[in-house]
Amino acid sequence: GQQVMQIPQYQHVQEGEDFTTYCNSSTTLSNIQWYKQRPGGHPVFLIQLVKSGEVKKQKRLTFQFGEAKKNSSLHITATQTTDVGTYFCLANTGNQFYFGTGTSLTVIP
Amino acid sequence: NAGVTQTPKFQVLKTGQSMTLQCAQDMNHEYMSWYRQDPGMGLRLIHYSVGAGITDQGEVPNGYNVSRSTTEDFPLRLLSAAPSQTSVYFCASSFSLPGQGAQQPQHFGDGTRLSIL
Repeated sequence: GQQVMQIPQYQHVQEGEDFTTYCNSSTTLSNIQWYKQRPGGHPVFLIQLVKSGEVKKQKRLTFQFGEAKKNSSLHITATQTTDVGTYFCLANTGNQFYFGTGTSLTVIP
Repeated sequence: NAGVTQTPKFQVLKTGQSMTLQCAQDMNHEYMSWYRQDPGMGLRLIHYSVGAGITDQGEVPNGYNVSRSTTEDFPLRLLSAAPSQTSVYFCASSFSLPGQGAQQPQHFGDGTRLSIL
């Protein structure tokens, strides 16, 4: 069946270091969304990527969609303690939504 | 605007008991879904609905039932609770159905933390 793999599962960084999480699909995607879940909270929408090779930025966050529309990445520059949480991708195959397994980010002050 | 409301927030059950987790949204969203979240497993789809009267199974449907009699409500029923169903359950809704091109975001409730003893 459809699988959406996300790596790494956990990441610990010193405050100020960069962070990247990757989402990989076994099939071509219609679009991909990214969500952030703070500890004890619920997932909150960050952004959506639709076009092949698309790159979008939100302040220190950069989102990319692969040329083949099978993978995506989220990069955070100069992490802050407010970035703590789990980051999920949500892949849309056109028929169904699939969440990635998530990357839990810990930022050490 | 309440968004997606889930009740209860916490629940403890004994093995074999049944219960219903409630989910309601006031955004007139067609697509609603239930996920369970377990450590290291991410969010796994249990059941979903693309409109009133229409439901379908997700990845992990066994042990759960759903119905969608109205656009607003999408309750999840545990038929006979088992310890393996201890989890955090999230309900989500979206204006968009899975499809091509751009989609609307998924809106999540605050979750129900369920423990089965």
